[in-house]
Amino acid sequence: EPEVTQTPSHQVTQMGQEVILRCVPISNHLYFYWYRQILGQKVEFLVSFYNNEISEKSEIFDDQFSVERPDGSNFTLKIRSTKLEDSAMYFCASSEEAGGPGGELFFGEGSRLTVL
Amino acid sequence: SQKIEQNSEALNIQEGKTATLTCNYTNYSPAYLQWYRQDPGRGPVFLLLIRENEKEKRKERLKVTFDTTLKQSLFHITASQPADSATYLCALPPYYGNNRLAFGKGNQVVVIP
Repeated sequence: EPEVTQTPSHQVTQMGQEVILRCVPISNHLYFYWYRQILGQKVEFLVSFYNNEISEKSEIFDDQFSVERPDGSNFTLKIRSTKLEDSAMYFCASSEEAGGPGGELFFGEGSRLTVL
Repeated sequence: SQKIEQNSEALNIQEGKTATLTCNYTNYSPAYLQWYRQDPGRGPVFLLLIRENEKEKRKERLKVTFDTTLKQSLFHITASQPADSATYLCALPPYYGNNRLAFGKGNQVVVIP
């Protein structure tokens, strides 16, 4: 069964360092997302991406964050200068459609980011 | 935008019984609502989608209802099994016309053998 894959599964970094989280969405999906989940909190939307551009971003997704689809398969999230509060599980997701029936999200297993 | 409310207390239930979870939302009624399962340390897994014109949807032992008057969805697991122990997330568009999903905090279910 097709699945969303994410690497790394766990990354530990020093505050102020740059981090890139990588995702390979399901191949025929057109919509891509990053969500994050701080330990014990809810899953929060960061950004959605369609047709090679950001379609929506949340207030969390500030200038320190960026996304890219460098080739036909990878979808990356970059955090330029990590802060302690960026420590969370980051989930990549993809869907065939945006919203509604067919808009269910397929999530990866997550990348746990720990900022020291 | 929407406030999505799920019970923060874990639901402990005996194996074989029906677990019922509630999702309340506060503002506009969305065109659809989704339920996901999340196991500890793992990504959410899609379970069911129900549209605003559907009162009820079933999938195997799962049943979801959608009451736009009450602004509420109920999620039922019938004949619960220990393997059903997980956190169940309600998700819906955060405001009218938006297509991304906002998630509730989730409701943990513990099925006791």
